[in-house]
Amino acid sequence: QSVLTQPPSASGAPGQRVTITCSGSNSNIGNNYVYWFQQFPGTAPKLVIYRDDQRPSGVPDRFSGSKSGTSATLAISGLRSEDEADYYCASWDDSLSGREFGGGTKLTVL
Amino acid sequence: QVQLVQSGAEVKKPGASVRVSCKTSGYSFTSDDINWVRQASGQGLEWMGWMNPDSGDTGYAQKFQGRFTITRDTSTSTAYMELRGLKSDDTAVYYCTKAWDSWGQGTQVTVSS
Repeated sequence: QSVLTQPPSASGAPGQRVTITCSGSNSNIGNNYVYWFQQFPGTAPKLVIYRDDQRPSGVPDRFSGSKSGTSATLAISGLRSEDEADYYCASWDDSLSGREFGGGTKLTVL
Repeated sequence: QVQLVQSGAEVKKPGASVRVSCKTSGYSFTSDDINWVRQASGQGLEWMGWMNPDSGDTGYAQKFQGRFTITRDTSTSTAYMELRGLKSDDTAVYYCTKAWDSWGQGTQVTVSS
């Protein structure tokens, strides 16, 4: 059972905007940066958002991150079929003295 | 370009140890932390530990304390992880990652009698 909670699934039609939330506590999200990863089956994860809202070079600006209090959100606008993947949030947890991942959200593009 | 190349798949018996290497190139090895993450089939990502390749400082998830070690060889820009006392539920793909922005291809470790 992860200390970071994500919905197991999310979906949207092509062109739509979809959001994935990551809920935590003051010991993790509330006091530390949030990272978001995209993972396709059989491949390594890929960083899409770091330090709450920063986008690595090469990641489309359709991907954005935000944080408020003890929750973080990954938003994908202009949804495309190639965005269909699993998405994971991660943050350092001060109480556990370790990095924690959310359980992951499977995004389906309808 | 930055590359992290991991060693090949391993099959181990319960109780054995496994060592996985992560050879890096394309950047200064000592400039970024290395983390190890694993993923059992059909499951989510699980953080195992980190290392500062410059100082050699390490930190491990409580779950793996005492049976997991991360080391490095700065002369070859290679990081290593060793997991001891293997159990069947250690069967997973193990990944190394540099500062979360570059990842190895993953190493399948299978624990079976």
